[in-house]
Amino acid sequence: SQQGEEDPQALSIQEGENATMNCSYKTSINNLQWYRQNSGRGLVHLILIRSNEREKHSGRLRVTLDTSKKSSSLLITASRAADTASYFCATAVIHGSGNTGKLIFGQGTTLQVKP
Amino acid sequence: KAGVTQTPRYLIKTRGQQVTLSCSPISGHRSVSWYQQTPGQGLQFLFEYFSETQRNKGNFPGRFSGRQFSNSRSEMNVSTLELGDSALYLCASSVDRLGEQFFGPGTRLTVL
Repeated sequence: SQQGEEDPQALSIQEGENATMNCSYKTSINNLQWYRQNSGRGLVHLILIRSNEREKHSGRLRVTLDTSKKSSSLLITASRAADTASYFCATAVIHGSGNTGKLIFGQGTTLQVKP
Repeated sequence: KAGVTQTPRYLIKTRGQQVTLSCSPISGHRSVSWYQQTPGQGLQFLFEYFSETQRNKGNFPGRFSGRQFSNSRSEMNVSTLELGDSALYLCASSVDRLGEQFFGPGTRLTVL
């Protein structure tokens, strides 16, 4: 069963606005990764945040992680039409003595940015 | 560096047949993971290989199998195909089991 829950499921905004997507998870993690997917193509890696980090930036992306609440958020600032895609959070699960090399994905947020 | 490559990109099979999908990881990456993506179930983990050994397996029937070669290239096999196996199969590679996983473009499998 999938661990991650994402909110909202769909988001529609105008170009130039900010977009915020949230992700919640259930178990202990080593890290959390965010991906973008365009129209059923492969996943593009956006950013990785480790369990001991609280915030990370990459260009127009800002990711936060709250391990006490088991939640993360992805903020895209000054959005562009080209940002239209599905966004997924994925948690790297800790199992036993270490990492499993397994990512558990949320259902994703579909973002539409209108020009 | 070249990204993760997957072949073939599209495949059409009929029920009962078997299929083999191939994944070439980014040079230097030793871990390869496979995922299945469907509209109903989303992205689900199939299995992970590291140093030619299967390290973890998802909740899929034994019809789904895989292997990894000494050059880190990986294959997955699905035997006795069912209609429900129609999906986008994605492979991802990472340097080790701890970091970013980079995905290939996927193989779109249609079972008729």
